[in-house]
Amino acid sequence: EIVMTQSPATLSVSPGERATLSCRASQSVGSNLAWYQQKPGQAPRLLIYAASTRATGIPAMFSGSGSGTEFTLTISSLQSEDFAVYYCQHYNNWPPIFTFGPGTKVDV
Amino acid sequence: QVQLVESGGGVVQPGRSLRLSCAASGFSFSDYGMHWVRQAPGKGLEWVAVIWYDGSNENYADSVKGRFTISRDNSKNTLYLQMNSLRVEDTAAYYCARGDCSTSCPFQYWGQGALVAVSS
Repeated sequence: EIVMTQSPATLSVSPGERATLSCRASQSVGSNLAWYQQKPGQAPRLLIYAASTRATGIPAMFSGSGSGTEFTLTISSLQSEDFAVYYCQHYNNWPPIFTFGPGTKVDV
Repeated sequence: QVQLVESGGGVVQPGRSLRLSCAASGFSFSDYGMHWVRQAPGKGLEWVAVIWYDGSNENYADSVKGRFTISRDNSKNTLYLQMNSLRVEDTAAYYCARGDCSTSCPFQYWGQGALVAVSS
C-alpha cells in the first residue's frame, strides 16, 4: 500500500509571495501524481496531473515538478483566491487505486 | 458544460443502507471512468470507489470494500453508490467525480457533494 504524505500541514504566506508545497510517496509512483485545490464549501479542483502538466484552464502560476517519490507544487505570487487546502493524489491504472495525501492548508 | 449532480444523501441509522445517485450531463458519460470520493467533516479527501467507462472493472477503498457497491447506467447517464451496513465513520460529504479518461485517471470534474450522516 502506497502512503502519501504532505508537508507542511499548514503554510503561512503573505499575498504576493511564492508558496512551495511538498508531497512524498512511500514508494515510487513514477509520474502518476496529481494536485488539487479545495476552497471552503467547494468541491476540489484539479490543478496538475502527470506530476507537471497543468489541467485545462489552470494558470501558469501553478507548477508541479518531481517524479518517483518526491513532488512539489509551486504557487508563484499568491493572490487572495489562492488561499485554500491543496491535496496531492497518486493514481494507478491497475489495480485502479487512488490515494490522497492529508493536504496542506495555505493561509495568510 | 459538464455537470455532475449528486442526490440521495440524508440521515441514516448505523447498520442501515442508502443509495446515492449522480446525474451526469454535458459529456459522453459512457466514455469516462467515474469515481466516488468522500470527505468527513473537517477532514481530508478519501477516494471511495471507481468504475470504468463500460462497467467492466471497479475497485474500492479497503474501508468500504464488501459494504459499498459502485455501478452505472450508461443509458441513463447516471452513477450510483449503494452503501450497506453503514457506520458512524461513513459520515461525510460524498462527491462523484469524472476521470479524465475511460479507465483510471485524475478527476477533472466534480459534483457539489451529497451529505450522508450516520447516527443513531
